[in-house]
Amino acid sequence: NAGVTQTPKFRVLKTGQSMTLLCAQDMNHEYMYWYRQDPGMGLRLIHYSVGEGTTAKGEVPDGYNVSRLKKQNFLLGLESAAPSQTSVYFCASSLMGQNYGYTFGSGTRLTVV
Amino acid sequence: SQQGEEDPQALSIQEGENATMNCSYKTSINNLQWYRQNSGRGLVHLILIRSNEREKHSGRLRVTLDTSKKSSSLLITASRAADTASYFCATLLNQAGTALIFGKGTTLSVSS
Repeated sequence: NAGVTQTPKFRVLKTGQSMTLLCAQDMNHEYMYWYRQDPGMGLRLIHYSVGEGTTAKGEVPDGYNVSRLKKQNFLLGLESAAPSQTSVYFCASSLMGQNYGYTFGSGTRLTVV
Repeated sequence: SQQGEEDPQALSIQEGENATMNCSYKTSINNLQWYRQNSGRGLVHLILIRSNEREKHSGRLRVTLDTSKKSSSLLITASRAADTASYFCATLLNQAGTALIFGKGTTLSVSS
């Protein structure tokens, strides 16, 4: 019962580098989400997807892109990393939307230097 | 901008005491959810309360919802050291109900 798996768990990037964070869920959930968590800021929604092939912007989408080519995977990309993107990134999934709780991954700690 | 705001930001109690944390939100909701986050871990869903419910229980957790005041409270009874964590309320991003947005959380410390 893996639930939501995020890879990698830690990463250090140099400013301007690109990378992709992978989120995989094995619960057949329709909805998937990417959040970032910064000290004192709580969680902020970056992008989300309500099904395979769909994506939508959240509260703080700038500087990020996402793709949901397969139902079980949701990828978060940083094309040109900036120090302001240093954060802990959490992926979550839910069976549907509003009437279901979310299952979260354990997070990816990203540092941009 | 965050829909829900928790209060207090931090709370320290002794084992066996009750812990109460509050959440205020700005717009109308279909439901409100509470989550727990242990240090260095992902969030764990605790309880969901719908807008037509006033109170809900789950084990030692009791959640109330007052839609007229746009507020909710989470009560943890007979706290244990293992309850030490951050607690977040979450409400819907939009009327379509497609995503949750979270408050900044209440950090609870339970000492033995």
